Amino acid sequence: QSALTQPASVSGSPGQSITISCTGTNSDVGGFNFVSWYQQHPGKAPKVIISDVTNRPSGVSNRFSGSKSGNTASLTISGLQAEDEADYYCSSYTSSSTLYIFGTGTKVTVL
Amino acid sequence: EVQLVQSGAEVRKPGESLRISCKTSGYSFTTHWISWVRQMPGKGLEWMGRIDPTDSYTNYSPSFEGHVTISTDKSIGIAYLRWGTLKASDTAIYYCARVRRDISSLHADNWGRGTLVTVSS
Repeated sequence: QSALTQPASVSGSPGQSITISCTGTNSDVGGFNFVSWYQQHPGKAPKVIISDVTNRPSGVSNRFSGSKSGNTASLTISGLQAEDEADYYCSSYTSSSTLYIFGTGTKVTVL
Repeated sequence: EVQLVQSGAEVRKPGESLRISCKTSGYSFTTHWISWVRQMPGKGLEWMGRIDPTDSYTNYSPSFEGHVTISTDKSIGIAYLRWGTLKASDTAIYYCARVRRDISSLHADNWGRGTLVTVSS
């Protein structure tokens, strides 16, 4: 598998909640609890916002939460704010020789 | 404070070689892996490979194996990404990232700001 599958774009109004899916296989997302989510603003480096499926690093807003069911992981952004407009990437450890794999990326637009 | 400071932008011609660097500070270099990630213009993130600075063991994505080499100088806490023969399709931003890995966690917790590599004749 070359990349995990994410929707190309998701949008929402300020204050709403949105969910981004990340679909893999039982060799990556479904087989291990090593799913992470990264936020990338234009021209900036990625930043981890969720690690190991559900963990939120220190300093990351509690409006971000992660979950997993089977081969699909999800990132939920609650109380959407203008500053959340960015690209979001999931990633996972994989048992293949690749070792690690990113998702295709999702552009979040705040309407 | 953990910092990963990457070398500056580079311009090369196809066929030339190049090595870019990622200087770390603020932590013990051998406690975390270093990974390199490619981002082609307007595209997504691609994991290229990783190195364990403890023993220099490397893993590469099949998409990059044989085309790049990841190495470290443990004595000065620097990781490198090297190309022997550049192609125009190597034009991209390259990020280094510190990877936390233990029995319960695996993720890139600190990133460099990226190095823009432009390959053009």
